[in-house]
Amino acid sequence: EVQLVESGGGLVQPGRSLRLSCAASGFTFDDYAMHWVRQAPGKGLEWVSGISWNSNNIGYADSVKGRFTISRDNAKNSLYLQTNTLRAEDMALYYCAKGSTSSRWSGFDSWGQGTLVTVSS
Amino acid sequence: QFVLTQSPSASASLGASVKLTCTLSSGHSSYAIAWHQQQPEKGPRYLMKLNSDGSHSKGDGIPDRFSGSSSGAERYLTISSLQSEDEADYYCQTWGTGIQVFGGGTKLTVL
Repeated sequence: EVQLVESGGGLVQPGRSLRLSCAASGFTFDDYAMHWVRQAPGKGLEWVSGISWNSNNIGYADSVKGRFTISRDNAKNSLYLQTNTLRAEDMALYYCAKGSTSSRWSGFDSWGQGTLVTVSS
Repeated sequence: QFVLTQSPSASASLGASVKLTCTLSSGHSSYAIAWHQQQPEKGPRYLMKLNSDGSHSKGDGIPDRFSGSSSGAERYLTISSLQSEDEADYYCQTWGTGIQVFGGGTKLTVL
């Protein structure tokens, strides 16, 4: 059974940073692309960033480009999102999602339960 | 600009059927989509991948009550024999080179 467990969220002041993590199990991690998706309170889903199986192909939403960095450690079956210069509009539940292929241009077929990032002074 | 359009809300009675729609923007009618369900206070759950020809592949454990179909730029999710636990938000998603897009979601109320 695929399991994705996010961690690292919390309360942070505007302008500060957080590193989110996603621990994956139940599948061959380095065979698949991985993604971060966020959901602001009461809003819909927004794709944030995606990374191919070998980290060679990475992409970001315009709203986070230059501030967030996605990475993965295939030896540790883990996905990361470094979030810098956080803004009030970054406040959301951040979900880890598994791609359905090795390419970052694919749909998602599994989701984690999310980790909450609250940005407030 | 690539957009997926969903009605904000839908409702149907317990035991009945409902058909939700996701419309691909002009020029993108050949794209596959995925349907995801989000029950209250839970993370999303993958339901199925739906191709432009109507063929679909469901996620593990998704009941037969959930099915998909396509017509032109429209992608449909049909839920039959509605149960109370089907009350949820339903999102469509599509992808392609340089593209990762979600629809705005449809909130389904089971009466």
